[in-house]
Amino acid sequence: TQLLEQSPQFLSIQEGENLTVYCNSSSVFSSLQWYRQEPGEGPVLLVTVVTGGEVKKLKRLTFQFGDARKDSSLHITAAQPGDTGLYLCAGARSSASKIIFGSGTRLSIRP
Amino acid sequence: GAGVSQSPRYKVAKRGQDVALRCDPISGHVSLFWYQQALGQGPEFLTYFQNEAQLDKSGLPSDRFFAERPEGSVSTLKIQRTQQEDSAVYLCASSLGDGTQPQHFGDGTRLSIL
Repeated sequence: TQLLEQSPQFLSIQEGENLTVYCNSSSVFSSLQWYRQEPGEGPVLLVTVVTGGEVKKLKRLTFQFGDARKDSSLHITAAQPGDTGLYLCAGARSSASKIIFGSGTRLSIRP
Repeated sequence: GAGVSQSPRYKVAKRGQDVALRCDPISGHVSLFWYQQALGQGPEFLTYFQNEAQLDKSGLPSDRFFAERPEGSVSTLKIQRTQQEDSAVYLCASSLGDGTQPQHFGDGTRLSIL
């Protein structure tokens, strides 16, 4: 059973389009991190969200933490080929000393 | 460089052989983590060290898997009597704080068991 479900699992869109990927759970997290991973490399941290309802922007990427801190979304505006990769969310629970990764969304942007 | 370094990058072994994977964390990082990542999936937690103490090994799949960090810096993940299902990418990460803090990942070791 995956604690963090990401959707969609795969997404292939044209350059310039907008997209949203989701990270959902039935559990509450004290914080949630988003990572991007390219083939042959380790995940790289994009952002950490901590407060319910928090919105963070990173250039064309907008991250939102749900009010109840059970879910999160990543919205990309005007996608570019360089956005291609595996996007991973990872949740931290206050009672634990580790993070749990979601199954990932593999994003492909066609030129 | 100043990042997390893993070696070897690729390892091919025959079923039944023992393998050892090495991780050099970022200098000064207290916490070190090992993950197993199957193709197209998110990383699965294996084990966690705070300095030299192994605080959590709940993710190790069997007693064939063993990890150590004797001096609180470099860590080794050892897999004994390898099986085909052990084939995966093994990622190491380090962080300044505990596991809930942002982690810095190495590029992983791709292990293939024939």
